[in-house]
Amino acid sequence: EPEVTQTPSHQVTQMGQEVILRCVPISNHLYFYWYRQILGQKVEFLVSFYNNEISEKSEIFDDQFSVERPDGSNFTLKIRSTKLEDSAMYFCASSDTPAGPQYFGPGTRLLVL
Amino acid sequence: AQSVTQLDSQVPVFEEAPVELRCNYSSSVSVYLFWYVQYPNQGLQLLLKYLSGSTLVKGINGFEAEFNKSQTSFHLRKPSVHISDTAEYFCAVSEMGTGNQFYFGTGTSLTVIP
Repeated sequence: EPEVTQTPSHQVTQMGQEVILRCVPISNHLYFYWYRQILGQKVEFLVSFYNNEISEKSEIFDDQFSVERPDGSNFTLKIRSTKLEDSAMYFCASSDTPAGPQYFGPGTRLLVL
Repeated sequence: AQSVTQLDSQVPVFEEAPVELRCNYSSSVSVYLFWYVQYPNQGLQLLLKYLSGSTLVKGINGFEAEFNKSQTSFHLRKPSVHISDTAEYFCAVSEMGTGNQFYFGTGTSLTVIP
């Protein structure tokens, strides 16, 4: 069964450093998403992406964040200058229709020191 | 404003007993509804979904949920739980026609006691 994959599984970085989280969505899916889950809190929407552009973003997704689909398979989330409060689990998801079920990757646990 | 409420943060239940995990939502438009399960140190796995049609939907692992529009609820049920059902369960909602982001509840931690 096809699945969403994410790398790395864990990342530790110093405050102020840039990080890139990588995702490979399910191959025939066209809609891509990033969510985050701070420890002990709910899963929060960050951004959705379709047809090579952002279709929706939350208040969390400020100028420090960016997304890119650099090739036909990868979907990346970049945080330019990490802050302590960016420490969280980041989930990538994809779907084949705009309102259908989203399929989630296993997540990248980001720790900012 | 869109919100999803899972009133029960923790639910302990004995093995082979039935369980119901509650989910209520608020929205000014029609919605699609989902339940996800998260096992320790893993991602979110889709359990079941309601998009349209029958209000009783069946998912994987013997779970089912019923959409009640008048009560704006989408409670998850299983008639007989197993130890392997111990996990975190998240209810999620997306709104028709207003974008496709998911709104998640805070989750319910189900612990099955042998």
